[in-house]
Amino acid sequence: DQQVKQNSPSLSVQEGRISILNCDYTNSMFDYFLWYKKYPAEGPTFLISISSIKDKNEDGRFTVFLNKSAKHLSLHIVPSQPGDSAVYFCAASVIRGYSTLTFGKGTMLLVSP
Amino acid sequence: DSGVTQTPKHLITATGQRVTLRCSPRSGDLSVYWYQQSLDQGLQFLIHYYNGEERAKGNILERFSAQQFPDLHSELNLSSLELGDSALYFCASSVEAAGVETQYFGPGTRLLVL
Repeated sequence: DQQVKQNSPSLSVQEGRISILNCDYTNSMFDYFLWYKKYPAEGPTFLISISSIKDKNEDGRFTVFLNKSAKHLSLHIVPSQPGDSAVYFCAASVIRGYSTLTFGKGTMLLVSP
Repeated sequence: DSGVTQTPKHLITATGQRVTLRCSPRSGDLSVYWYQQSLDQGLQFLIHYYNGEERAKGNILERFSAQQFPDLHSELNLSSLELGDSALYFCASSVEAAGVETQYFGPGTRLLVL
């Protein structure tokens, strides 16, 4: 049973437009959420996170929104750039000190010039 | 560069063999996690070590084992290898701040079992 789901395997966006990547979770115990970006032949790179006490967190072009009642989060990238083309993983954990991450299967984002 | 190093980058071996993957965490990080990424799969948690002690186990096969040494580097041992063990293996080290933890990943080891 997948506890973290990214239902869109891929997304294509034009440069300069907004990219919206979605993630759903089923485990109501999750209270910390992260987005990672992964280029081919590299490890995942931490992008942005949000805890369940917030509903929005911004870092430059990246904003993560959390809707706890819907168990849904999204990553917005504005404006999108060709260098953003990568696989984006959503991950969730329980805040209790050190804890494991549960990952979605990823969404491949392609930003075309 | 995350500061987490993994060796080797690529490994090709045969079924039935045993391999060791190595991970060095970021300076000061006490936690090391191991993950497996198979084709079309997300990252699956295998095992977590904190300051030399095993903290949690995930979907790790009995043929696999790990340890973390006093200098905090970690090794993942995979034995009696099968074709299905071919995957990317990542380690991550983590830092906790303000009650939340962020994991930083190494570049991975790509294992191919023939």
